[in-house]
Amino acid sequence: GDSVTQMEGPVTLSEEAFLTINCTYTATGYPSLFWYVQYPGEGLQLLLKATKADDKGSNKGFEATYRKETTSFHLEKGSVQVSDSAVYFCALSGRGAQKLVFGQGTRLTINP
Amino acid sequence: DAGVTQSPTHLIKTRGQQVTLRCSPKSGHDTVSWYQQALGQGPQFIFQYYEEEERQRGNFPDRFSGHQFPNYSSELNVNALLLGDSALYLCASSLVRAANYGYTFGSGTRLTVV
Repeated sequence: GDSVTQMEGPVTLSEEAFLTINCTYTATGYPSLFWYVQYPGEGLQLLLKATKADDKGSNKGFEATYRKETTSFHLEKGSVQVSDSAVYFCALSGRGAQKLVFGQGTRLTINP
Repeated sequence: DAGVTQSPTHLIKTRGQQVTLRCSPKSGHDTVSWYQQALGQGPQFIFQYYEEEERQRGNFPDRFSGHQFPNYSSELNVNALLLGDSALYLCASSLVRAANYGYTFGSGTRLTVV
């Protein structure tokens, strides 16, 4: 079945550091790919998405590119802030309003 | 514009009891999905409702059941609660023809089974 694998956490960085959180997937067909963020005590918020190969999703300084050849959707940000501290989930969805399949999540802590 | 609303926010139940969780989707959305998120894990898909019918189901036992009402709101019922059912239950809504553009999640119901 479809699956998503994220880099192991937790990840701790200093403010203004460069961030990469790796995500690879296994899926039949051509899924849509998502990054969701979860702040403490809250639900999930959609951070960015890409619906086809080579698409780049971006939002709030975060970016991720849909790489079909490497089945990856790595999350990057050039300069992180303390407010970026949260848990980040990579997810995929098959065509036709299919369920979301999530990775295990990566906890990110940014120190001032 | 209200997003996805879930109630209650917290709930404590005793093993063997039954529980009902409620969800109102984002305005304009017609599909509701339920997820279970155990502590420190990613959400796991329970089921999805569209046009008042269960459209997809994840790997959860029949103790988990649901319903969608004509106004698109939904309920999740869990019977014969087990300690392992303790989790954050998330509701997500979408528009069936635009689901590949993302789902909107509620803040969840934290269920504790004692």
